[in-house]
Amino acid sequence: SYELTQPPSVSVSPGQTASITCSGDRLGDKYACWYQQKPGQSPVLVIYQNTGRASGIPERFSGSNSGNTATLTISGTQATDEADYYCQAWDSGTVVFGGGTKLTVL
Amino acid sequence: QVQLQESGPGLVKPSETLSLTCTVSGGSLTRNYWNWVRQTPEKGLEWVGYISYTGSTNYNPSLRSRVTISGDASRNQFSLKVTSVTAADTAVYYCARDLNDISTGTGFDIWGRGTMVTVSS
Repeated sequence: SYELTQPPSVSVSPGQTASITCSGDRLGDKYACWYQQKPGQSPVLVIYQNTGRASGIPERFSGSNSGNTATLTISGTQATDEADYYCQAWDSGTVVFGGGTKLTVL
Repeated sequence: QVQLQESGPGLVKPSETLSLTCTVSGGSLTRNYWNWVRQTPEKGLEWVGYISYTGSTNYNPSLRSRVTISGDASRNQFSLKVTSVTAADTAVYYCARDLNDISTGTGFDIWGRGTMVTVSS
């Protein structure tokens, strides 16, 4: 079955750029989405179709997808961006999620 | 503004059937794709399946033999049934909307608050 791999954690200083990766076989040939989830809350769609920013999502969030890696980039990271982030793709008729990355803003 | 609300028993006995309902407000089952996603600390997020605006369904192959998703457009509700549950089915269950089929990459743009279901005797 298809697998998406994310680093368990990423740390960033306020105002700096955070990059969260998601790796999968030929992931660049598929669409990737990204979700943000804060403690006790439901996931929120951040990026769709690799680069599209979902409604209400700040411009500092951007996405890319090429080769075997999709990347979520947060420019000028704010304390409010501290959360778990999950990538998602579709393969062989099913939705696959990555294991999630905890973003810590130090 | 579309909102989703899950409802159903929070405790189910092993080998029995888990049944949940998602009520859609501000939207219509006659449009879009309506999904169930579950989450556990061990496995993370797991897509369960969807029912489309046409009534067609698509399930996660790993759960297909035990899962049924149905819809009631007159009540603007869709439901999930999982048979022969075990402790591994203990999870927070979310309903979520996708504007299009899952293959189009539009993502799940609206989520319910989720409901915790525990499988235990």
